[in-house]
Formats: sequence, structure tokens, C-alpha cells
Amino acid sequence: QVQLVESGGGVVQPGRSLRLSCAASGFTFSAYGMHWVRQAPGKGLEWVAVIWYDGSNKYYADSVKGRFTISRDNSKNTLYLQVNSLRAEDTAVYYCARDPGHYDSSVYYSDYMDVWGKGTTVTVSS
Amino acid sequence: DIQMTQSPSSLSASVGDRVTITCRASQSISGSLNWYQQKPRKAPKLLIYAASSLRSGVPSRFSGSGSGTDFTLTISSLQPEDFATYYCQQSYSTQYTFGQGTKLEIK
Repeated sequence: QVQLVESGGGVVQPGRSLRLSCAASGFTFSAYGMHWVRQAPGKGLEWVAVIWYDGSNKYYADSVKGRFTISRDNSKNTLYLQVNSLRAEDTAVYYCARDPGHYDSSVYYSDYMDVWGKGTTVTVSS
Repeated sequence: DIQMTQSPSSLSASVGDRVTITCRASQSISGSLNWYQQKPRKAPKLLIYAASSLRSGVPSRFSGSGSGTDFTLTISSLQPEDFATYYCQQSYSTQYTFGQGTKLEIK
């Protein structure tokens, strides 16, 4: 069945780094855009980053730009989020989500998040 | 960035009620608006995409409408399993912002 499984979260000190992973199965990973979305404790959803199906485009929320890097390995069906210079406000559950996207005049556009993983928790604390 | 504002932030209703949640964008987003449902300690689930398209498998009591800056999610007859938090999200801009959420509680 279609599945996304995140891993790599943990407790980390401020200023340190982590690499989050999202393993995809049950669908053709290379045909889908992928997002990271996070949710701080007791708060709403915050979009973090998106990567196009082929890795050709990447976009980030202003709150993480320059510190986080999204990437993917289509040969391994895996999405990544490298999170550097962590701050207390980065404490959250991090979800990966699939985006089917569409083409308009040969240009690919992201659409919506139709499949989500269960999330991995990142806690930034000294 | 495009700001998404939902109203109300919370709502108390009874089983069988008709409920409407509103989402307003700070600028026109055409029909690029999605709705998600999230239950406590669970991942969000897609309900409605492109403002009014019902995702396959989602009950028909859920419906979405709107375009431009104003959108609504309507639940025609609340069921016990519908009590959750609902989020709108725009995909018009590559800064994919969510609304702050609407918590739907049992009256």
C-alpha cells in the first residue's frame, strides 16, 4: 500500500544538525513532488519545504531558508531534510507528504498533499 | 507571502448539525485551495483539493466552494468522527501557507 515513513528525529542541542528521512513505498516515488510540513507542540501546521518530482526545483519557508535543505534520491525512494543550526522554535513533529502535481503548458505545478507520513519528532533543547 | 485566515478558530456543534468553516486569502489564489482534517496525535488527511474537488473516499457530506480570496468548507450533517481540527492551505504560491486551523468540538 502507499506509505511514507519518516525517521531521523530526536533530541538535539541548539545549533546542532539532523538529517530527517522519509521512505516511500507503494507508488512511483519519482513521479511525485514531496513536501515537509511541521507542527510545533499544540500549534498548527507549518509548511517547511517542497521539492519537485525530479529535484529540479526546491522552495522553502522563510523561517527555515538558509538552514534547511530538502533533497531526494529517486533511486532509493527516499526524501531528506537536512536541518542545520537548530533553534528551540524548530521543535516540532515533522511530516513528509506526497504531492501529485500537474502539468500546464509543459510546466510542472505543485497541487496538494494527498498522502502523509506519521511524522518524526525533533526536540531542540539544551 | 500569502496569509490564510480561517474563521472561526473554534466551533462547538452537535451531531447532525450543518457546519461551515471559512478561509480567506490575503490575495487572490484563484481555486488553489485545499482542506485537511487532523485528529489528535494523527497526521493530517486531505479532504478537498482545488477548492471544490472531493478526494476519493471522503464522505459526500464534505464539500468545498469558493474562488479568489474567499473559500468555505461545509459539513452537511456532522458525524461523531468529524470532530477534529480543519486546515485550509493554498497552493497558488510556492510558499504553501496553511490557515491557523479550526477546532470543531462536540457541544
